[in-house]
Amino acid sequence: QSALTQPASVSGSPGQSITISCTGTSSDVGGYNYVSWYLQHPGKVPKLMIYDVSNRPSGVSNRFSGSKSGNTASLTISGLQAEDEADYYCSSYTNSNTRVFGGGTKLTVL
Amino acid sequence: QVQLQESGPGLVKPSETLSLTCTVSGGSISSYYWSWIRQPPGKGLEWIGYIYYIGSTKYNPSLKSRVIISVDTSKNQFALKLSSVTAADTAVYYCAREIPTPYYFDYWGQGTLVTVSS
Repeated sequence: QSALTQPASVSGSPGQSITISCTGTSSDVGGYNYVSWYLQHPGKVPKLMIYDVSNRPSGVSNRFSGSKSGNTASLTISGLQAEDEADYYCSSYTNSNTRVFGGGTKLTVL
Repeated sequence: QVQLQESGPGLVKPSETLSLTCTVSGGSISSYYWSWIRQPPGKGLEWIGYIYYIGSTKYNPSLKSRVIISVDTSKNQFALKLSSVTAADTAVYYCAREIPTPYYFDYWGQGTLVTVSS
């Protein structure tokens, strides 16, 4: 299985909005609403930010939102804050009952 | 609060078998999927495989020939064995709990660095 495709890096200024894409195929992202997103600060454990494409776990800021169109899922962060600077990974269920991650996107807050 | 803790050797020789255990506390190992995920230094996350508490497993096709995941419900533990390791298997190994349908990882261990070197 191939990793989902994410941009290597994105950047934005405080207060702005950014979107990170996650492109797969009809066998994973496009075929199921089982996309999740994780934030990972350097040297830290990944943290769940979005599940089921667009649902936020309790405690996650509503500045984080998710969506999907076709084979591409997206994570949008509004009102960028310095603490949002981190690596972001998407993950999807696949039609082989396996799981696949994206390659990761480094978010820089300028 | 569910907690997961990985344990095992931090150094493994090439061609040998990497063995790690994940101990689950604060909750039962029943009714969830339990996964291993790894992250080579400076690189992204890679799903290794999962075990359901009743013992059924699923592995990443790229690692399937070398991976065995097992569970011991009496000890609230699950384990990873990865055989014939090379330097490419050097990574931080995480254990994680996965919610069955809709399949997301809600609790993670702190991760343990395993280096493959002679």
